[in-house]
Amino acid sequence: EADIYQTPRYLVIGTGKKITLECSQTMGHDKMYWYQQDPGMELHLIHYSYGVNSTEKGDLSSESTVSRIRTEHFPLTLESARPSHTSQYLCASSPWGRDRAYNEQFFGPGTRLTVL
Amino acid sequence: GDSVTQMEGPVTLSEEAFLTINCTYTATGYPSLFWYVQYPGEGLQLLLKATKADDKGSNKGFEATYRKETTSFHLEKGSVQVSDSAVYFCALVTHGNYQLIWGAGTKLIIKP
Repeated sequence: EADIYQTPRYLVIGTGKKITLECSQTMGHDKMYWYQQDPGMELHLIHYSYGVNSTEKGDLSSESTVSRIRTEHFPLTLESARPSHTSQYLCASSPWGRDRAYNEQFFGPGTRLTVL
Repeated sequence: GDSVTQMEGPVTLSEEAFLTINCTYTATGYPSLFWYVQYPGEGLQLLLKATKADDKGSNKGFEATYRKETTSFHLEKGSVQVSDSAVYFCALVTHGNYQLIWGAGTKLIIKP
């Protein structure tokens, strides 16, 4: 069973607030990802990281930012939340496979964000 | 560019029916193929995978065969249960590209 955690699971917050969504994994995976997903809909990659001090933007433009100071921790921050940010945010991690080939992603349970 | 196309949902079946969820792909090179499942209120989890042509991935009674000639990876199960109700995502990754390319997801509803 994967050990990847996200907090909070649910968050309702007012417009203009700064929020940080937490993601931690205890598997020692180098690669980590943030996805945005409307419930039951397709996933959109918004940020990813190949390791400590590595952060990249994904395919979907996002006003959020991320940091990767420790291998196990990959928080996502919204400086000023807006109703358009209402969505589910999924964190995932994966190890490097043999010869640095792709390996499966393990997902956290998600954070359901509602901005009023 | 690389892409994955899944059949649109929702797919509604009765318990014990046969399930097929179609997935086709476009990719340069030789991709690895995956099916992920998302149960209500949860994150995604890997259901099965195949890394080369003619490989069959299987798990929990689900199967999918990597068909290079038809660029397909259809998900099948012989007898579905209510507990199989979920959203199913097909995905691929090509060698040297470390990001998954996702399909849009197919919602499966199983009625007792």
